[in-house]
Amino acid sequence: QQQVRQSPQSLTVWEGETAILNCSYEDSTFDYFPWYWQFPRESPALLIAIRPVSNKKEDGRFTIFFNKREKKLSLHITDSQPGDSATYFCAASNYAQGLTFGLGTRVSVFP
Amino acid sequence: EAAVTQSPRNKVAVTGGKVTLSCNQTNNHNNMYWYRQDTGHGLRLIHYSYGAGSTEKGDIPDGYKASRPSQENFSLILELATPSQTSVYFCASGDDRGTTLYFGAGTRLSVL
Repeated sequence: QQQVRQSPQSLTVWEGETAILNCSYEDSTFDYFPWYWQFPRESPALLIAIRPVSNKKEDGRFTIFFNKREKKLSLHITDSQPGDSATYFCAASNYAQGLTFGLGTRVSVFP
Repeated sequence: EAAVTQSPRNKVAVTGGKVTLSCNQTNNHNNMYWYRQDTGHGLRLIHYSYGAGSTEKGDIPDGYKASRPSQENFSLILELATPSQTSVYFCASGDDRGTTLYFGAGTRLSVL
């Protein structure tokens, strides 16, 4: 059973549009939710993260919206750029037992 | 300078053979992790460690062993490699809260 679910599997947007990536989770004990991005033939790297004490986290063009009651979160990429084309992984953690990753959303931004 | 270094970067093994994947980190992190990445499965946790001498099973430990002989080094061992273990393996280190993982460049393993 997938503990962290992501949708859609893939997403195509035009340059300047807002991309919205969705994530949901099962385990109520998860208390940390990072998003990692991975470019082709590279390793994943931390993009942005949120804790349940907040319902929003912004970092430049990237914003996480968090709904603890519904166990859902989303990543919004505003003013999308071709350089944002990557696979985005939602992850969850409840202390140091490693991160549980979703299957990822492949984002393609066309100029 | 890479803080998490994996070796080898590519490996071809035969079915039934023994494979050892090595990882070295200079972040001085207590926690280290081994993940595998497969299309359609994302990143899955195999083993992790809280420090030298400790290893813990992750979500998919079957067929794998791990060894943490020192703070810096964490190995993944496939005693009897099978074709189903063909994958890309990532090592990562993380702080005590596990809040940020720093990944190595990955090892591409093919078991024939």
